[in-house]
Amino acid sequence: EAQVTQNPRYLITVTGKKLTVTCSQNMNHEYMSWYRQDPGLGLRQIYYSMNVEVTDKGDVPEGYKVSRKEKRNFPLILESPSPNQTSLYFCASSPMSETGNQPQHFGDGTRLSIL
Amino acid sequence: KQEVTQIPAALSVPEGENLVLNCSFTDSAIYNLQWFRQDPGKGLTSLLLIQSSQREQTSGRLNASLDKSSGRSTLYIAASQPGDSATYLCAVTGGSYIPTFGRGTSLIVHP
Repeated sequence: EAQVTQNPRYLITVTGKKLTVTCSQNMNHEYMSWYRQDPGLGLRQIYYSMNVEVTDKGDVPEGYKVSRKEKRNFPLILESPSPNQTSLYFCASSPMSETGNQPQHFGDGTRLSIL
Repeated sequence: KQEVTQIPAALSVPEGENLVLNCSFTDSAIYNLQWFRQDPGKGLTSLLLIQSSQREQTSGRLNASLDKSSGRSTLYIAASQPGDSATYLCAVTGGSYIPTFGRGTSLIVHP
């Protein structure tokens, strides 16, 4: 089954404790991205990657890191989490084309609470 | 900077009605526009993607149109059903490959 898998689905942690949210897709997609969803602000892109070893900042990259060492995986790293990073996070993937990314497939989300 | 607005923010209709959701955007230099549905506690599901060169896309009871020059898109849902209840989001992508999302229309279809 074609899917984007995020782990963990829920996490409560404390300020400053490094954490990683993993994302894996089994569709051989080139494009992967991370979003955060906040009430009143909607979905905003954090980072995206158009292929292995190619990553770029989205609209709200501050406080986050990503890596793309393999095509299927795109982990999101919070080196020193702070309470303003409490949010619902989504990973997405899609194939690339000349006219930009095609329909995106989303994971089920990770609800992160930073105390 | 691209801004995407969705109207209405919430909608409640009886089953069987045909309905229209609206999405407007400020910068017409887009690659594509995508409509998504989001169910509570779930990620987004892509419904329709319209490339900038296209005027509309159809899938089952859904029809999405795109008017780039006026910066508008509509999602038409025919013969609505309770299972259509969800939040509907539109997103536009330009040359930066960074999609800009609207805040969504929350739809309730009651029996």
